[in-house]
Amino acid sequence: SQKIEQNSEALNIQEGKTATLTCNYTNYSPAYLQWYRQDPGRGPVFLLLIRENEKEKRKERLKVTFDTTLKQSLFHITASQPADSATYLCVMDTGRRALTFGSGTRLQVQP
Amino acid sequence: EPEVTQTPSHQVTQMGQEVILRCVPISNHLYFYWYRQILGQKVEFLVSFYNNEISEKSEIFDDQFSVERPDGSNFTLKIRSTKLEDSAMYFCASTEGTYSYNEQFFGPGTRLTVL
Repeated sequence: SQKIEQNSEALNIQEGKTATLTCNYTNYSPAYLQWYRQDPGRGPVFLLLIRENEKEKRKERLKVTFDTTLKQSLFHITASQPADSATYLCVMDTGRRALTFGSGTRLQVQP
Repeated sequence: EPEVTQTPSHQVTQMGQEVILRCVPISNHLYFYWYRQILGQKVEFLVSFYNNEISEKSEIFDDQFSVERPDGSNFTLKIRSTKLEDSAMYFCASTEGTYSYNEQFFGPGTRLTVL
């Protein structure tokens, strides 16, 4: 079955640095990937969607890349701030009306 | 800004009891979903609902689960005979469009504790 792996459970960085989170997928070729943010005890919040024919997508300090050859997406937060501390979820649509979530990477930005 | 709401925020029940989790999706949205997240684990899809019927369901969504849109605003998830392993956070979500890539708007969740 299709699988998403986010290979870091946790990532600690200093304020102002760029955070880079990795998402790899197997057994499927999604037409697009989404990234969501989840704060403790809250529901996921949509951040960005990137389609398979897009190499890169940006939104303010966020950047997502999608490499269909490597089956990988990278999520970057530039000029990170303590308020960016959260769990970031890589999410794949499997052609059904359901999303498959990765286990997430917990980002901690130290002031 | 419109948002998905869920009630209650926390539900405690005894094993074997029935529970109903309630959601009010965003008013002009067409597709509704339930997901669950067991503590420390991934968010998992349960069911999607469109035009008053189930569109997709996962293998988790067995006969003990049912969904309903009893009126024009509420969307409910019923668990008939709760088990200890049903303890989780349950999220409702909705989307405006009918395409699967539409952004999903999630509610704040209901924490279900089965004793």
